[in-house]
Amino acid sequence: AQTVTQSQPEMSVQEAETVTLSCTYDTSENNYYLFWYKQPPSRQMILVIRQEAYKQQNATENRFSVNFQKAAKSFSLKISDSQLGDTAMYFCASLYSGAGSYQLTFGKGTKLSVIP
Amino acid sequence: EAGVTQSPTHLIKTRGQQATLRCSPISGHTSVYWYQQALGLGLQFLLWYDEGEERNRGNFPPRFSGRQFPNYSSELNVNALELEDSALYLCASSLAGRGLETQYFGPGTRLLVL
Repeated sequence: AQTVTQSQPEMSVQEAETVTLSCTYDTSENNYYLFWYKQPPSRQMILVIRQEAYKQQNATENRFSVNFQKAAKSFSLKISDSQLGDTAMYFCASLYSGAGSYQLTFGKGTKLSVIP
Repeated sequence: EAGVTQSPTHLIKTRGQQATLRCSPISGHTSVYWYQQALGLGLQFLLWYDEGEERNRGNFPPRFSGRQFPNYSSELNVNALELEDSALYLCASSLAGRGLETQYFGPGTRLLVL
């Protein structure tokens, strides 16, 4: 079974600053994907970024980038130039094809507050 | 292009009743997943439907069931409701489920059991 751990229940950052959210995971699979999802107070779960495990290059999406350390099983999210709209719960998740199932395994989440 | 839609937005039931939640996937997506987000328990996988068949279920009792229709929309039924079933139920869809595909989520249905 896969596990995903987010060790920071809450974080805050000043507007326009940079913040990094941590995530570690545990899997014996070779082929898997990792995701960061954002859930604002409106509760809609929004995809932020995706990383395929077979790719060595870290994924980036505008102000969002990841630091994927496969050997260390670490997958952190960096948010640059933080904006008020980034205030949300952030969930790290893994997806693998173990036993023919494709469910996401989520961490407990990190509540990020962007302070004006 | 429309995203995943869910109805109703909110649902209030009493213990012992049945609840029916609905989900329409993104056009072209054939896989639908249901997750429960309960306070203090995080997000837990409930059910996965692909091509009209139930492919996998999480660690939930049989009173949680559902189905997928020919148009790939899905229904989640919760029978004999218990207070601890109060949660946000999220539906997600992806392209054909036999591969690692990104899951896109709907806005959720908030179920409150009194």
